[in-house]
Amino acid sequence: KNQVEQSPQSLIILEGKNCTLQCNYTVSPFSNLRWYKQDTGRGPVSLTIMTFSENTKSNGRYTATLDADTKQSSLHITASQLSDSASYICVVSEGVGSQGNLIFGKGTKLSVKP
Amino acid sequence: TAGITQAPTSQILAAGRSMTLRCTQDMRHNAMYWYRQDLGLGLRLIHYSNTAGTTGKGEVPDGYSVSRANTDDFPLTLASAVPSQTSVYFCASSASLGTGGGYTFGSGTRLTVV
Repeated sequence: KNQVEQSPQSLIILEGKNCTLQCNYTVSPFSNLRWYKQDTGRGPVSLTIMTFSENTKSNGRYTATLDADTKQSSLHITASQLSDSASYICVVSEGVGSQGNLIFGKGTKLSVKP
Repeated sequence: TAGITQAPTSQILAAGRSMTLRCTQDMRHNAMYWYRQDLGLGLRLIHYSNTAGTTGKGEVPDGYSVSRANTDDFPLTLASAVPSQTSVYFCASSASLGTGGGYTFGSGTRLTVV
């Protein structure tokens, strides 16, 4: 069964610190992997999209990496800010399908404390 | 600001009653989707539409129906609500059905069935 597993489930860090969130997947065939940020009470907002040929992609202080061989991705947040407090969702696209077949992880809830 | 508008923001509904969740987008996206998000679970696809006039079933379609009379609107109807349909519902859209483009999500409708 195609799955997307994220770790840790939750994380608390101090403002200004860095952190790395993990995503492992078993989705096949693989088309692309996305990271979304979801603020409390809001819908998910896209941070990065990577195809299997891309190893890394940055969006400001957010850097995503992808290892298609080991089926692992990470999201690194540099110099965290209070506004980074949110859930971060890893989403893997199951190849080209009739409905896009996005497989969502359960998310990592990040809390940035002052 | 271009995007997706969902209404209502929240609703308490008596079991057995019907309700329609509204979703409108102004990006002229061809594809639209309805997801539900439950605590401890990733977003799950309910129904989707790849263009006006066509719809398809997602992972958890039972108890829900959709219509796509035009490009902009994609309402989700619960014919006879049950407590297990208590959830946060997100409407999303993308330029086309498939895996290449990014998804834009609405802010969600929090539904409580009592």
